[in-house]
Amino acid sequence: DIQMTQSPSSLSASVGDRVTITCRTSQSISGYLNWFHLNWYQQKPGKAPKLLIYAASNLQSGVPSRFSGSGSGTDFTLTISSLQPEDFATYYCQQGYSDPWTFGQGTKVEIK
Amino acid sequence: EVQLVESGGGLVQPGGSLRLSCAASGFTFSSYWMSWVRQAPGRGLEWVANINQDGSEKYYVDSVEGRFTLSRDNAKNSLSLQMNSLRAEDTAVYYCARSLGRKDPSGSAWFSSFDIWGQGTMVTVSS
Repeated sequence: DIQMTQSPSSLSASVGDRVTITCRTSQSISGYLNWFHLNWYQQKPGKAPKLLIYAASNLQSGVPSRFSGSGSGTDFTLTISSLQPEDFATYYCQQGYSDPWTFGQGTKVEIK
Repeated sequence: EVQLVESGGGLVQPGGSLRLSCAASGFTFSSYWMSWVRQAPGRGLEWVANINQDGSEKYYVDSVEGRFTLSRDNAKNSLSLQMNSLRAEDTAVYYCARSLGRKDPSGSAWFSSFDIWGQGTMVTVSS
């Protein structure tokens, strides 16, 4: 199974801050033309996860442009360019490269 | 509106059974792979199982293989998860999720993600 390790596990930030979350996979995830089998989700307490970024760097429809994704191989990044009040949540990466699909342990973004 | 609605959760004793259902609406259900993803209290997300469009392919995480059975009824736009021999560690919120496949610009490969989620149904396994 591909293990997913997110860092940090939690962070405190202020509105307007630039936030970066890293996801490392235990083996390389292949891709084509900068598309990789890596997705990012946002989850708020008591709610279902919401897809933010698919194929490592593609913004899901309806998701604000302050969210972006990048990376390749084993190292991937989710960036929030200017943190907004509604962005305080837990973020998960997920690989769709090989069965079983696995998620990172989550990164909780809290208000400083 | 594209929607998934889960039902069937509840309290069950260890070793017992439960059947979860997921009702889909607002999209062509028969065109998509579907999955179940669970989340134990205070924990992260765990993919449980998925099924292809016509139900001929099914995959399970090792921890539920042989105990859980996934099925679908495309005529009723419905997904089901039969859970047998339940254990305390199966306690979780179970989410039904749609798998959307997209091709990269070169058309070389499919990339899937869980783009639509239900609200979840709680399963508690306890004596």
